[in-house]
Amino acid sequence: DTGVSQDPRHKITKRGQNVTFRCDPISEHNRLYWYRQTLGQGPEFLTYFQNEAQLEKSRLLSDRFSAERPKGSFSTLEIQRTEQGDSAMYLCASRPMTGNYGYTFGSGTRLTVV
Amino acid sequence: AQSVTQLDSQVPVFEEAPVELRCNYSSSVSVYLFWYVQYPNQGLQLLLKYLSGSTLVKGINGFEAEFNKSQTSFHLRKPSVHISDTAEYFCAVSARNTDKLIFGTGTRLQVFP
Repeated sequence: DTGVSQDPRHKITKRGQNVTFRCDPISEHNRLYWYRQTLGQGPEFLTYFQNEAQLEKSRLLSDRFSAERPKGSFSTLEIQRTEQGDSAMYLCASRPMTGNYGYTFGSGTRLTVV
Repeated sequence: AQSVTQLDSQVPVFEEAPVELRCNYSSSVSVYLFWYVQYPNQGLQLLLKYLSGSTLVKGINGFEAEFNKSQTSFHLRKPSVHISDTAEYFCAVSARNTDKLIFGTGTRLQVFP
């Protein structure tokens, strides 16, 4: 169990550019979640997957955001045409579908849009 | 819909003193309750959770919390804090028929020597 890995840890991009983040969950965890955390706030739910199926999306996930989990293992979160308001920490978490209820979070990707 | 209120944005305390971090929630359905800790530039670590059963829940690092349904509260306590407990603490709620966490805005615990 190597935990939830996120890559990159930090990303600085110019406004208007596209960015993609990757999350590798704990291998036996069926469910994978994306959250966004802005400065001074708690994490906000964006979306989650059960295996490769995306089961729920928040209205926070605008058309510029897309998430995939093509083989039910790692996931990617892409932001197109980034805006300064997208600057935040993007957190990934995973958990098994049944059993002990509790997410394991990764260390996050901090995005800065300049 | 569910919501979480953490009234104290910052709690300063001296080392070895007791501490209580307050959390109140709102929900029209039964919920699960959680406390997470976040150290600088890191993800969140689960401290403890209430799913059902005993209302007093013990977690890691000597923390405990008590679920009070009538007051819709889930306050976090530690009888004696350490410098290493300095961090941001988040209370979270999840409705039993959904699979997403709703977080409060966090409480910054600052422990002074």
